[in-house]
Parts: sequence; C-alpha cells; structure tokens
Amino acid sequence: ETGVTQTPRHLVMGMTNKKSLKCEQHLGHNAMYWYKQSAKKPLELMFVYSLEERVENNSVPSRFSPECPNSSHLFLHLHTLQPEDSALYLCASSQARTNPYNEQFFGPGTRLTVL
Amino acid sequence: ILNVEQSPQSLHVQEGDSTNFTCSFPSSNFYALHWYRWETAKSPEALFVMTLNGDEKKKGRISATLNTKEGYSYLYIKGSQPEDSATYLCAHNNAGNMLTFGGGTRLMVKP
Repeated sequence: ETGVTQTPRHLVMGMTNKKSLKCEQHLGHNAMYWYKQSAKKPLELMFVYSLEERVENNSVPSRFSPECPNSSHLFLHLHTLQPEDSALYLCASSQARTNPYNEQFFGPGTRLTVL
Repeated sequence: ILNVEQSPQSLHVQEGDSTNFTCSFPSSNFYALHWYRWETAKSPEALFVMTLNGDEKKKGRISATLNTKEGYSYLYIKGSQPEDSATYLCAHNNAGNMLTFGGGTRLMVKP
C-alpha cells in the first residue's frame, strides 16, 4: 500500500469510551502530524512528531493523547471526549519537520462523532 | 493580517470559464506558502510550494503567484473543467514545517 492510510474512516463513540485512531505512512518520511477539522473551521494542527519525538502540542486537551511508536505509525488515543470534539481528524507526513519547503502528504481522515 | 484568509469561500463557475482566488497571509517571518487541492472524500493533495517573492508556478491549467511583501498569493485555473471541482486550501509556513491553513475556497464547476 502506498501513501498515508488512516483507520477507521468513520468512528462513533460515547463520551465515556476509549478509542484510538491509527495512521500509517509508507513514504519513508520522518515527520508525522495530526490535524483536526471542525465544521466551518480551517484545518488546525494538533501534534507534530519528528523521528518519533513529539515536538509540538498545539494546546490540545489531555483527553487527546498521541503516540508515535516508530516513524511509520502514529496513533491518537481518545478518552472521555466531548460532543464538540466531533470532527474530521487528518494525519499527514513529510520528509523532515524542519524543512519548510517539504510538502505534507495527507491521509483521507477519520470522521469522528461523539455522542 | 494575523491569520491565513482565503476568498471567496465558495465559487460556482461554468465549464470553460477561467477563475482565480486569493490567499492572504502574514508577511512577517515568511518561509513558504503551500497550495493544496482537496476533493470530497479524498485526501488533500499538494499543488504547489512557493517560497520566493514573485514566484510563479504552473501545473497544467493551474498556476499560482506569490507576493511575500504584501502577503498574498493567487491561484488561477484556466478553462475550468468539472474535475477541477474541489476545495483549494492555502497554508502559510512561518516556522519549520508548521502549517497554518486558511478556510479554503470551494470551487464547483458546472458542465
């Protein structure tokens, strides 16, 4: 498989559930990102990982917990979410975090609904 | 300008029309300006990464220009086709590879 894949594509969860989103990149990149797109808002950067180390946490609540076990995989663990967390969650990767000229390659996203 | 702003928010054109839209961004600490194309139910796909003032890039019928001094970029589509229907996103990079996105311009091309 090529590019950036995300699973699941759709997720419905209750506020007390714990779930995880998975992202995998097959591009040999060193940096991975989580973005959130809420209705009628621009894409918002949540977390950045570079060589498996978290280098950016964009003031995201602790009910979102990222994990990057290796440079190909990125998870977003979800716990006691709120209905306002319902959104499209996109994963992306790039060759190097520090190079501003590298384009980011995106996955198709997970559509999350919190009931 | 503190944020990245795109206009218009949406645009309906007829097949064959040429069109353009705008991305405005903070002109300080500029590193790069990215354009992405996002079709419904697909992944955003990079179109251009622009870095120098006066840059002009072209890919088929789509081209983009960049003015870093005044903080804007234009995206042009010549002879729009229905398959050009998508949301076009711009993103400003002012540190490392941290992108700040605009809200996008949603283009619909009617056959």
